[in-house]
Amino acid sequence: RKEVEQDPGPFNVPEGATVAFNCTYSNSASQSFFWYRQDCRKEPKLLMSVYSSGNEDGRFTAQLNRASQYISLLIRDSKLSDSATYLCVVNPPASARQLTFGSGTQLTVLP
Amino acid sequence: NAGVTQTPKFRILKIGQSMTLQCTQDMNHNYMYWYRQDPGMGLKLIYYSVGAGITDKGEVPNGYNVSRSTTEDFPLRLELAAPSQTSVYFCASRDPSGGNNEQFFGPGTRLTVL
Repeated sequence: RKEVEQDPGPFNVPEGATVAFNCTYSNSASQSFFWYRQDCRKEPKLLMSVYSSGNEDGRFTAQLNRASQYISLLIRDSKLSDSATYLCVVNPPASARQLTFGSGTQLTVLP
Repeated sequence: NAGVTQTPKFRILKIGQSMTLQCTQDMNHNYMYWYRQDPGMGLKLIYYSVGAGITDKGEVPNGYNVSRSTTEDFPLRLELAAPSQTSVYFCASRDPSGGNNEQFFGPGTRLTVL
């Protein structure tokens, strides 16, 4: 089983739609969680951290379910500029020295 | 702050040639990483370093070497280039002691081996 698993997509949605991505992780001792965004032919950049209580940043909402070991990202009122690949990222226990990246979910928002 | 910088942006190598991909960060981060990303695929960790003088293998280290003589620089060396090393290479850094834990990436080096 992969350490971090994501549905690769692609997700093709019309502008204004709501879209949700899920991600599961295998290490129950993982400490912190993030969503990164990667535009085509560009480097990944942090979109938002994911907190236990859930958190929101404008049109983006991230949720964490530790019991089921999954993380979600909800995008409301999709914009053309949201088209990108979204990477689920997990920080394993303190002894680990690298973040674990999912392979990403590709989103295309259509006009 | 320039963040993480990488040179060159693009390079074409012939089979058997060698080259060094440069990476520099000005954020005083102890942790630095090299990833490769093949088209349509996820990131694969090649090597990483937790401080000057310390390096460790990642998931796909074969065919590569690294060194970390300073906090700022983390070059990646390809000794005998092979077509399988055609990829985009990203360098990254982070500060594990900060509460944020954000990892910063450079803009990447696009390498083609013919």
